[in-house]
Amino acid sequence: QVQLVQSGSEVKKSGASVKVSCKASGYIFTNYDINWVRQAPGQGLEWMGWIAADSGRTDYAQNFEGRVTLTTQRSTTTAYMELKNLKSDDTAIYYCARGWRVKWFDVWGQGTQVTVS
Amino acid sequence: QSALTQPASVSGSPGQSITISCSGSGSDFGGSNSVSWYQQHPGIAPKLIISDVYNRPSGVSSRFSGSKSGNTASLTISGLQTEDEAHYYCASSVTTSLVIFGGGTRLTVL
Repeated sequence: QVQLVQSGSEVKKSGASVKVSCKASGYIFTNYDINWVRQAPGQGLEWMGWIAADSGRTDYAQNFEGRVTLTTQRSTTTAYMELKNLKSDDTAIYYCARGWRVKWFDVWGQGTQVTVS
Repeated sequence: QSALTQPASVSGSPGQSITISCSGSGSDFGGSNSVSWYQQHPGIAPKLIISDVYNRPSGVSSRFSGSKSGNTASLTISGLQTEDEAHYYCASSVTTSLVIFGGGTRLTVL
């Protein structure tokens, strides 16, 4: 079945970086994009950016420009999200989600808890 | 860019219908129909229930329907069931570098 499986929880100190992986299976990886969305404790959803799995094209939300880097490894059908210079308010669950040119997000990973202390 | 405006909470009884609104400025919707809705149960990843304003993905109950008029999109759930109790989020894909989510609405089925 179509699924996205993310890497496990992370605990980081302020100023550090975190890299979260998202392994795709059950579909043709390059036919879709991978988006990243985060959710702070008790809060709503915040879109971070997307990467086209075929071309590697990226677009980032203004709030994260310069601090986030999205990449993919087509050989392993895995997407990655690296967030640098972590701050305490980056503490959140980070989701990857399959989509098409940000129009919708139809398959979601299980989420990765990132805690910044 | 501010979040789209949703009511913080709505409630209804089993069998009833409810509507959740999602409002923004004209620029929030970018003049396009790229509005989607997501259902999120506690501790679980969101689930797409409506895409492109009114399209239902395969497997989503026909009790869920979407619409848009001017700067307000709406999600209607008919024949409320207890399992519909969840948070609901709208999202507008303004451009390929701007996606705005609503603040979320908590639905309680009494």
